[in-house]
Amino acid sequence: KQEVTQIPAALSVPEGENLVLNCSFTDSAIYNLQWFRQDPGKGLTSLLLIQSSQREQTSGRLNASLDKSSGRSTLYIAASQPGDSATYLCAVRGQGGSEKLVFGKGTKLTVNP
Amino acid sequence: AAGVIQSPRHLIKEKRETATLKCYPIPRHDTVYWYQQGPGQDPQFLISFYEKMQSDKGSIPDRFSAQQFSDYHSELNMSSLELGDSALYFCASSRYQETQYFGPGTRLLVL
Repeated sequence: KQEVTQIPAALSVPEGENLVLNCSFTDSAIYNLQWFRQDPGKGLTSLLLIQSSQREQTSGRLNASLDKSSGRSTLYIAASQPGDSATYLCAVRGQGGSEKLVFGKGTKLTVNP
Repeated sequence: AAGVIQSPRHLIKEKRETATLKCYPIPRHDTVYWYQQGPGQDPQFLISFYEKMQSDKGSIPDRFSAQQFSDYHSELNMSSLELGDSALYFCASSRYQETQYFGPGTRLLVL
């Protein structure tokens, strides 16, 4: 059974810092990995999707990497802003036909002005 | 761009009542997924449909049922509601095996 772990559970940084969020998964047989952002009580906004054959994806100040063999992904946020404050969720989709996403419990990020 | 639409956005029910949640996928998306997110929890997969047929099933209670209709919208029916069913229910849609796009969710409160 796939398990996804995110470290740290919470992170507080001053504005302008570069930061890294970590995600690990137990079964390396994944189809893809997705990073989401969730604001309190709100929906899930997809940030980046990395296919299993890819090593990284970039969008603006965000860069996500994937090391499938070691079961790890990182989300790098450059020059953090207070508007980046949210919970960041990592989710993996397995191979073998199942399309369900298995989520981690998220990292709650606070960027202080 | 059109997004996934969910209705209602908020719902309050009493224990043992029934609730129906609706999901309208992005146009031309043929697959719908339902997830449940309890307070402070990560989203848990419930069930999915591809071309109106159930394609995968997760930890969905027997009290819940769902279907996808000919226009690809989906409904999640929840009966004999319990306090523990209070959660945020997300619907996501995709073209087959492509990226899932999530709706804003329906917040269900069972009193």
